[in-house]
Amino acid sequence: DAGITQSPRHKVTETGTPVTLRCHQTENHRYMYWYRQDPGHGLRLIHYSYGVKDTDKGEVSDGYSVSRSKTEDFLLTLESATSSQTSVYFCAISGLAGKFFGPGTRLTVL
Amino acid sequence: KQEVTQIPAALSVPEGENLVLNCSFTDSAIYNLQWFRQDPGKGLTSLLLIQSSQREQTSGRLNASLDKSSGRSTLYIAASQPGDSATYLCAASNSGNTPLVFGKGTRLSVIA
Repeated sequence: DAGITQSPRHKVTETGTPVTLRCHQTENHRYMYWYRQDPGHGLRLIHYSYGVKDTDKGEVSDGYSVSRSKTEDFLLTLESATSSQTSVYFCAISGLAGKFFGPGTRLTVL
Repeated sequence: KQEVTQIPAALSVPEGENLVLNCSFTDSAIYNLQWFRQDPGKGLTSLLLIQSSQREQTSGRLNASLDKSSGRSTLYIAASQPGDSATYLCAASNSGNTPLVFGKGTRLSVIA
């Protein structure tokens, strides 16, 4: 267990509302990642961070923003949620023994 | 751009059988490859990490191999059990901290 938690674990929201998902790690890892997992598409990278205030876009970054103001927290924000953003969101960290994932957040946008 | 493919998408085997799951990747400048297990509705559990300098890694009944020149990795599961039923994902990284690129997984069913 790499000490990664995600909150909330489940969320239902309405189209057009802002949503923020939180990833928290306890082991001071520099690199953190946000993925989404959808049937037929597998896991796809949204954004990643290589340090405090240092972030970069992934394959499916449109409609998402991220922030990292301290090492332990990496936030994913959907500024105006759409139904196409209904998905399971996973956070990950990069450690010496590979990459490790949090438990996921199941987001439903109605 | 690295692309990862897993075939077949689904596999069903009787209990006790030895089996091989396949993973192929397009960019041979791979740094490492990681195998994960995912149970329905759950997160990803790391099974094995193979560095580009390694040929194999073993953990219990699992053995993963890596052949950079052919762009292939295999996950061998010995003496399969119903508890092995899950989706198995492979993912490649082109440097230690580069984001992983995932295959779409192989859904394994082991029938008692």
